Amino acid sequence: NAGVMQNPRHLVRRRGQEARLRCSPVKGHSHVYWYRQLPEEGLKFMVYLQKENIIDESGMPKERFSAEFPKEGPSILRIQQVVRGDSAAYFCASSVGAGGQETQYFGPGTRLLVL
Amino acid sequence: AQSVTQLDSHVSVSEGTPVLLRCNYSSSYSPSLFWYVQHPNKGLQLLLKYTSAATLVKGINGFEAEFKKSETSFHLTKPSAHMSDAAEYFCVVSDLNAGNNRKLIWGLGTSLAVNP
Repeated sequence: NAGVMQNPRHLVRRRGQEARLRCSPVKGHSHVYWYRQLPEEGLKFMVYLQKENIIDESGMPKERFSAEFPKEGPSILRIQQVVRGDSAAYFCASSVGAGGQETQYFGPGTRLLVL
Repeated sequence: AQSVTQLDSHVSVSEGTPVLLRCNYSSSYSPSLFWYVQHPNKGLQLLLKYTSAATLVKGINGFEAEFKKSETSFHLTKPSAHMSDAAEYFCVVSDLNAGNNRKLIWGLGTSLAVNP
């Protein structure tokens, strides 16, 4: 019974390159969330998606960042033209539903380092 | 708006002594509250959650937390610390914004050190 899978676990990019982070939710979960954790800080919400829909992207930077959760396949967080400030751990979580009491299950994270 | 304040950034205890990690929250709604643990370079694991049922919540690994509405607190406790408890602990509140979409609001974390 696999939990949330994220890959790659570690990703190194040079400034100006693109980073693609993938997240496969728990089987049967149709709600996906992305969070960013900067060094020595808590997690910050970025975006909440359901299959083929972005529900809440209030935490996403206005430029260079995008997310999708297609009908088939994993959710993708895409960062274009990365800068050093994008270096962080990016966590994906999934849940069965979106009610206030639903537990979000987290993946192991992708640690992005921008050189 | 909802927010979470973890009152201590670092806590150090001796093995076998009690653990207290403090958390205060503010919420306009009836909140759901969570504690997550993060071991070094690992993912996040749910310790326990409060969802308006019993105010004393028991979690994994001997941890428990008590929801006190009058104090807007959700402190995490454990009677006897173990070396394996050394980790970062996050207090989290859910945010029911318009449309009932839910995102988690995270505290900054408390780093727990356990000394032999």
